[in-house]
Amino acid sequence: DGGITQSPKYLFRKEGQNVTLSCEQNLNHDAMYWYRQDPGQGLRLIYYSQIVNDFQKGDIAEGYSVSREKKESFPLTVTSAQKNPTAFYLCASRTVGNTIYFGEGSWLTVV
Amino acid sequence: QQPVQSPQAVILREGEDAVINCSSSKALYSVHWYRQKHGEAPVFLMILLKGGEQKGHEKISASFNEKKQQSSLYLTASQLSYSGTYFCGTPNNNAGNMLTFGGGTRLMVKP
Repeated sequence: DGGITQSPKYLFRKEGQNVTLSCEQNLNHDAMYWYRQDPGQGLRLIYYSQIVNDFQKGDIAEGYSVSREKKESFPLTVTSAQKNPTAFYLCASRTVGNTIYFGEGSWLTVV
Repeated sequence: QQPVQSPQAVILREGEDAVINCSSSKALYSVHWYRQKHGEAPVFLMILLKGGEQKGHEKISASFNEKKQQSSLYLTASQLSYSGTYFCGTPNNNAGNMLTFGGGTRLMVKP
C-alpha cells in the first residue's frame, strides 16, 4: 500500500543530543514537508522540499536540519540548538492535485 | 499569514449540527479541510478549489466563498466519530504550495 512512514513513533532526547526522525514515502510525490505541532496547537512548518536535493526553510527552521538525497526520503534532524523540541512531528507529501497527506507522526520528548 | 478559524471549540450532542468557519486576510484560491483525532495525524477531508464550490464527505460538507475569502465546514447530524480538531489550510504559493493552517476548532460530540 502507498503511504508515508515515519519512525520512530516515540523518541526521547537527552539535553545536547541530536536526533533524527525518518520519513519515507512510496507515493512518488515530489514535494515533502515537515510540520511541528505543540499540544493543543496548530501545525507550523519547519522545512519543505519541492524536489530532490533542494529544500527550503519554513516558519520555524531554527534548530532543525533536513536532507533530500532521494525522492522517497526526507529525514529531519533535531539538533541541540533547538531548545524546546518536545512536540509532535508530522511529515507530509503533496499530490499533483495539491492535496497534502500526512504520516502518522513522531512524538519527541526531552528527558 | 495564518487563516483564522471560529469558533475555537464546540460541544455538541449527538445528532446536532455545527458550522466551523475559516477566513483569510489574503486572496484564497483553495481551502483544504482536515480532521485530527488526539495523538493522530490530520486526515484529509476535502479540498475546495473554486469560488462557490461545495463538497461533501459523509454528512460533512463545505462551502467556499472566494469573494469573502472564507470557507465554512458544515457538520450535519453529528456522530460521536466526528469528535476531534478540525483544521483549515490555505496554500502558500511562495513556499512550495505548502499549507498554512488555522489554529483549529475542537469539536466534542457527546452521547
